[in-house]
Amino acid sequence: NAGVTQTPKFRVLKTGQSMTLLCAQDMNHEYMYWYRQDPGMGLRLIHYSVGEGTTAKGEVPDGYNVSRLKKQNFLLGLESAAPSQTSVYFCASSYPGANTEAFFGQGTRLTVV
Amino acid sequence: GENVEQHPSTLSVQEGDSAVIKCTYSDSASNYFPWYKQELGKRPQLIIDIRSNVGEKKDQRIAVTLNKTAKHFSLHITETQPEDSAVYFCAGDNYGQNFVFGPGTRLSVLP
Repeated sequence: NAGVTQTPKFRVLKTGQSMTLLCAQDMNHEYMYWYRQDPGMGLRLIHYSVGEGTTAKGEVPDGYNVSRLKKQNFLLGLESAAPSQTSVYFCASSYPGANTEAFFGQGTRLTVV
Repeated sequence: GENVEQHPSTLSVQEGDSAVIKCTYSDSASNYFPWYKQELGKRPQLIIDIRSNVGEKKDQRIAVTLNKTAKHFSLHITETQPEDSAVYFCAGDNYGQNFVFGPGTRLSVLP
């Protein structure tokens, strides 16, 4: 039982490049989330999904796209990376409804130069 | 949507003393308030949570209190130990769809 696994753990991108972050969970959770963490700003929600095939925007969605084609996977895409997207990205999952524990992945440290 | 504020941003206590972190939320419809601990370089992990129908919850040295009328909740850590040093985040649910987190409190327990 691996919980929530993020791939990759570290990445350096050049401005304008694209990439996809993969989040996989093996707990059969319905809800999945992508957050970014910046110093002094806590965890800010980028996008979330309440079930397979669904996605919704969070607080800071600009510059990101997501897909949830399979229940266990939630992908975060950056089409044209910008230095402002330098951050630590966390994926999380929970049972239906944001009223139970959210389990986090180990994080992806992304640097855009 | 929900907005969560958290104070203080940094807190230093002597080992063995108590630590208190306070959060306020904006949406009276919120019903679930978890607290997460994040050690340096690690993922956030749940340490305690409270639901709107409960005023207080304890788990060994950790307790959380909730005042729904005032829309604030607090984390209390007693008999602090060096391993309590970390960043603590409070959160509230946003209409049951996702979690809104406070900006975090960096707790340092001094030996």
